[in-house]
Amino acid sequence: AQSVTQLGSHVSVSEGALVLLRCNYSSSVPPYLFWYVQYPNQGLQLLLKYTSAATLVKGINGFEAEFKKSETSFHLTKPSAHMSDAAEYFCAVRGTGNQFYFGTGTSLTVIP
Amino acid sequence: EAGVAQSPRYKIIEKRQSVAFWCNPISGHATLYWYQQILGQGPKLLIQFQNNGVVDDSQLPKDRFSAERLKGVDSTLKIQPAKLEDSAVYLCASSLEGVSSYEQYFGPGTRLTVT
Repeated sequence: AQSVTQLGSHVSVSEGALVLLRCNYSSSVPPYLFWYVQYPNQGLQLLLKYTSAATLVKGINGFEAEFKKSETSFHLTKPSAHMSDAAEYFCAVRGTGNQFYFGTGTSLTVIP
Repeated sequence: EAGVAQSPRYKIIEKRQSVAFWCNPISGHATLYWYQQILGQGPKLLIQFQNNGVVDDSQLPKDRFSAERLKGVDSTLKIQPAKLEDSAVYLCASSLEGVSSYEQYFGPGTRLTVT
């Protein structure tokens, strides 16, 4: 079975500081992993995805994530937070049969 | 390219009433998903269609929820009768068919409030 766990339901960073959002996965098969962002009253938008190619994945808006098999982690980072990054972030894993399993989300607050 | 369309965007009903949501996926996307997102939680898959066939509906409360995807294009999700705990955002997503179809594209969602 596949699942993801997001550590920290709320994260606050200062504008310009490093953003680190944590995600650990559980998968019985090589995982496909995703990070999505959700702005208020909107649907989810794909930030980046890991599909067994390069372990360091670059996404949109300056975000990147590193797949670490030994730690079963796929943490999301951004070197310098911007006010527009304030949103809800979801980690997800794709299961067999093309189903997707989402974490409970991390709300990112950026302090000016 | 047009995105995933959903309607209505908002709906308020009383418990025991019925409600229906509509989704039109991106043109050419064979796979369609309905998710329920309760406030403060991640999306939970309710049902997955491949063309007009159901792939997974294991988490769909079938005593009150139903969904169909006639002609393998747009889809309707219905709740009858609604309960207070059905208050949530209902998200529709679609993706291309096949192993390379890694990405889901989400619609804006329908926010349901049951009073």
